[in-house]
Amino acid sequence: QVTLRESGPARVKPTQTLTLTCTFSGFSLDTSGMSVSWIRQPPGKALEWLALIDWEDDAYYCPSLETRLTISRDTSKNQVVLTMTNVDPMDTATYYCARTLTEDDAFDAWGQGTMVTVSS
Amino acid sequence: QSVLTQPPSASGTPGQRVTISCSGSSSNIGLNHVYWYRQLPGTAPKVLIYRNNQRSSGVPARFSASKSGTSASLAISGLRSEDEADYYCAAWDDSLNWVFGGGTKVTVL
Repeated sequence: QVTLRESGPARVKPTQTLTLTCTFSGFSLDTSGMSVSWIRQPPGKALEWLALIDWEDDAYYCPSLETRLTISRDTSKNQVVLTMTNVDPMDTATYYCARTLTEDDAFDAWGQGTMVTVSS
Repeated sequence: QSVLTQPPSASGTPGQRVTISCSGSSSNIGLNHVYWYRQLPGTAPKVLIYRNNQRSSGVPARFSASKSGTSASLAISGLRSEDEADYYCAAWDDSLNWVFGGGTKVTVL
């Protein structure tokens, strides 16, 4: 059974760095074609893809946020970590991690999401 | 503002057919597959359609999708109350990032 679970702080202050962890089970990020993405959704708004890390440890980022994001993986712990620097109230959102099995494939498994509020 | 363009809302009465459009460009929909996700309130999205027109496991045949050029569409026939949800299209963009539509809220009148 494939599961993903996001964890991180529920609240951060503006200008701080946000660190989110996706802990997964039921698959290996070392499997050819596999990738894990971070996707967020501000309250009442649309989904926004943030970053992806794949089985070859290659990382891809949303162009408008690339300078603030870093995605990394720890295959021994089955975790993917996203850091976002210099957060702003507009970064308030539910953050999801999701898996794709191969390149150009569906996000076929999602975590339940973790709500992060940026406020002083 | 989302890269893919969807109407913000669509509605119909039970039994009717509803269509949702998704417009992109030559760097995303024009070159790569389109995916459709359904999101119920307070829950994570779930894949409905993958690779333009393939229904995900368990998705009824009332849901169909197509792609032509730089646009795609999702159709729901025989509309049911449980189809009320937000629907999102997505595609890989050749600038090496995923792009989503702004979402369409489907209401069953």
